Amino acid sequence: DGGITQSPKYLFRKEGQNVTLSCEQNLNHDAMYWYRQDPGQGLRLIYYSQIVNDFQKGDIAEGYSVSREKKESFPLTVTSAQKNPTAFYLCASNRDSSSSYNSPLHFGNGTRLTVT
Amino acid sequence: GDSVTQMEGPVTLSEEAFLTINCTYTATGYPSLFWYVQYPGEGLQLLLKATKADDKGSNKGFEATYRKETTSFHLEKGSVQVSDSAVYFCALRPTSGTYKYIFGTGTRLKVLA
Repeated sequence: DGGITQSPKYLFRKEGQNVTLSCEQNLNHDAMYWYRQDPGQGLRLIYYSQIVNDFQKGDIAEGYSVSREKKESFPLTVTSAQKNPTAFYLCASNRDSSSSYNSPLHFGNGTRLTVT
Repeated sequence: GDSVTQMEGPVTLSEEAFLTINCTYTATGYPSLFWYVQYPGEGLQLLLKATKADDKGSNKGFEATYRKETTSFHLEKGSVQVSDSAVYFCALRPTSGTYKYIFGTGTRLKVLA
């Protein structure tokens, strides 16, 4: 079955360390997204990518970086510059094209990052 | 700018009660509208969608109608079950060429046996 795989499910890091969250999809989707979820705040967009080798900052990109070297993969690095990195991180994708603006997002099961 | 407003939770109901979760939006044109559900520790799953005025999305007993005149997309279910306990998110995708989706803050539903 096609889907989005995020790994690991739980991640623990010490303050000051960079950490990379994995996101892989086999849906052949063009667009991929990273969201951060905090209790009571809904979803906030970190980065998104419409095609390989291209990505755009979302609303809260500071302290994060991404790459999109392959269509299937969109890893997120949480750097030591991110002031409050402890959160639930969700990766999503959709098949996006100029004629599919109504296509829904498909989500992975998330990675819960705890930084102490 | 574009936005989505959902009713505050938590919503607590007894099994077999009628459910309404309100969602209103602000956007130009005719955005696509979505309801997602999130179970504890999981990602969001698409529940239903509507892409034009008066469209009714439905799935698993849940329904929502795209009301352009009131800019609303309220989620309803006639008889909830304990297994419906989750967080529900209303979302929109503008038609203005952006690739962004706008999410509400989510409404937690708790169904008691």
